[in-house]
Amino acid sequence: QSVLTQPPSVSGAPGQRVTISCTGSDSNIGGGSDVHWYQQLPGAAPRVLIYGNTHRPSGVSDRFSASKSGASASLTINGLQAEDEADYYCQAYDRGPSGPEFFGTGTRVTVL
Amino acid sequence: QVQLQGSDPRLVRPSETLSLTCTVSGGSINSNYWAWIRQPPGKGLEYIGYIYYTGGGTTYNPSLKSRATLSVDTSRNQFSLKLNSVTAADTALYYCAVGWGNSKGTYFDPWGQGTLVTVSS
Repeated sequence: QSVLTQPPSVSGAPGQRVTISCTGSDSNIGGGSDVHWYQQLPGAAPRVLIYGNTHRPSGVSDRFSASKSGASASLTINGLQAEDEADYYCQAYDRGPSGPEFFGTGTRVTVL
Repeated sequence: QVQLQGSDPRLVRPSETLSLTCTVSGGSINSNYWAWIRQPPGKGLEYIGYIYYTGGGTTYNPSLKSRATLSVDTSRNQFSLKLNSVTAADTALYYCAVGWGNSKGTYFDPWGQGTLVTVSS
């Protein structure tokens, strides 16, 4: 079982803003670990959207942003588009017995 | 831009050893971390482990540590995963990826296309 919990699904209409949460604990996010976010389009390999909590690689739309507070993090998609329909995963280093690296449970984003 | 090419799909019999290789192009394997991540059908991502080129150190998912072995072949610009005593629960899409790490953790980018491994008799 994952130590990083995400909502199974979120949805929104085109143009709306959606936010995906990633809840951890003191052994990972709350303990200072960086949070990274991945997008997995249907039938494709994951790609990094955000690394180091807030950094967006070149080529990733500025509609994607992320933040971290305490033992939780969130990914926000502004101006939702049909092409954003995908699975999203957070990932962080965990200092507990189940570590070191852990992926969140994953969130399916549906564009209505 | 580094690109990763994984092995062809594999059918492995229960209790046997799974062997996968990832070939690195567009860059050198003499840097970074080299990682394996898997995804069972219809499920989420599971970290397997990574190997640092420098010193050949490794980290593993504790749940797989006793069965997994990672290695690097610098002469072929390849890195490999061996997983022994496989069961049906090891059926998954296996991804290789480049790891970028620091004291606060490691992220993975880019990823290979994934190799489907089916464990069945």
